[in-house]
Formats: sequence, C-alpha cells, structure tokens
Amino acid sequence: GENVEQHPSTLSVQEGDSAVIKCTYSDSASNYFPWYKQELGKRPQLIIDIRSNVGEKKDQRIAVTLNKTAKHFSLHITETQPEDSAVYFCAARGMEGSQGNLIFGKGTKLSVKP
Amino acid sequence: DGGITQSPKYLFRKEGQNVTLSCEQNLNHDAMYWYRQDPGQGLRLIYYSQIVNDFQKGDIAEGYSVSREKKESFPLTVTSAQKNPTAFYLCASNRDRNYGYTFGSGTRLTVV
Repeated sequence: GENVEQHPSTLSVQEGDSAVIKCTYSDSASNYFPWYKQELGKRPQLIIDIRSNVGEKKDQRIAVTLNKTAKHFSLHITETQPEDSAVYFCAARGMEGSQGNLIFGKGTKLSVKP
Repeated sequence: DGGITQSPKYLFRKEGQNVTLSCEQNLNHDAMYWYRQDPGQGLRLIYYSQIVNDFQKGDIAEGYSVSREKKESFPLTVTSAQKNPTAFYLCASNRDRNYGYTFGSGTRLTVV
C-alpha cells in the first residue's frame, strides 16, 4: 500500500524566513495530495491541496509543488509569521491497497521565532 | 464549527472498561473515519466507513469497534482489549475520494 515519508520532523525558522517541508510517496497511482495544519490541541485543518495533473499551486504565502516522476511533493511557506507555528501533515491518497484513503506523513513541527 | 462534532472533549477510562466516543456530522458526507494520534506517530487509521451500514478495518483496528447505523453518526468504542488506549482520537469525514477530510475537534482519552 501507500507509504508517505515526511521531513524534517522539526523545523525552526526566524520570522520572515521561508520554510520548506518535503514528502515522498510510494504509490505512483496516487492522485491527490493535501496538506494540513494542526495547532496545539486542535483539529487538523486543510490549508492547501494539489492534484496529480498540476505541478504547482499557490495561495498567498503558501505553495505546494508536485514532482510525479520523483514521487515527492513539498510545502513552501514564505514570509513566515509566529502564527504559522504548528504541526504540518502531508498526505497522499493511496490507490493500491489503501482503498482510496488518505495516508498521512508523521508531521513536521514548525516553530517560527519572532 | 466545521460541521463535525466529537464528544466528549476529554474522557477517562478505568482498566477493563469499554468507552464510546461520539462523532456526528451534518455535512451530508458519505465517508467517515477514525484516527488515533500519538506524539511523533502522525495519524493512524483505526476504522473507516464509505457508506451507511458498512465499515472497514484500518491499520490499527485491534481493540476497537464501530457502527454506522446512520449517515450522520460514526461512534467508536474503545474496548478493554485495547491495552494502550491513551491517545488523541480524531474523527473525519469527506464527500468523496476527490476531496480532503474535514476533522472533528478530537477526544483526548486517558486511562486512569
């Protein structure tokens, strides 16, 4: 079935710098890749997603890129702010043996220092 | 608040006791999911249901049970067979496989 690896597990940046989180997936048939942000003690919330027919998608300060050949996708946050501090999860919709369910990475704890 | 409600927010279980976590959604979503979240482990799938009266085991179903008698409701029972139930439990739903999940606010279960 699908397997999603996420790196790094922790990331600390200075306010105003950029942050990049990378994920790789194993199922070449996967076609949907969402990113979730989870603040401490709260629910994960969808912040951006990308489908396999698109290479890049932007929404204000966040962007996601997808490389289908290499089977990896990345989240880019520019001009980081303290309120960006949270745990970020990537996910991929697995097709082989995963019944089309989302398979999540283990998360990246992002800390933005003022 | 997001259309998917979990209760209670905090739950304490004694050894050998079964407890049930509630998940209700008013989004008219067909699919519902239960995830367990432990520090450093990410989100692990316990059970999921694509349609009423049908559900499937996820990666860590042992010690858990579910039912899906109504489209809106997908309760999770943590049985005494689950030896390490202390965790944060998240319920989610989605319209179909072309969309991401909407999560509930979670239930934190602690064994006392």
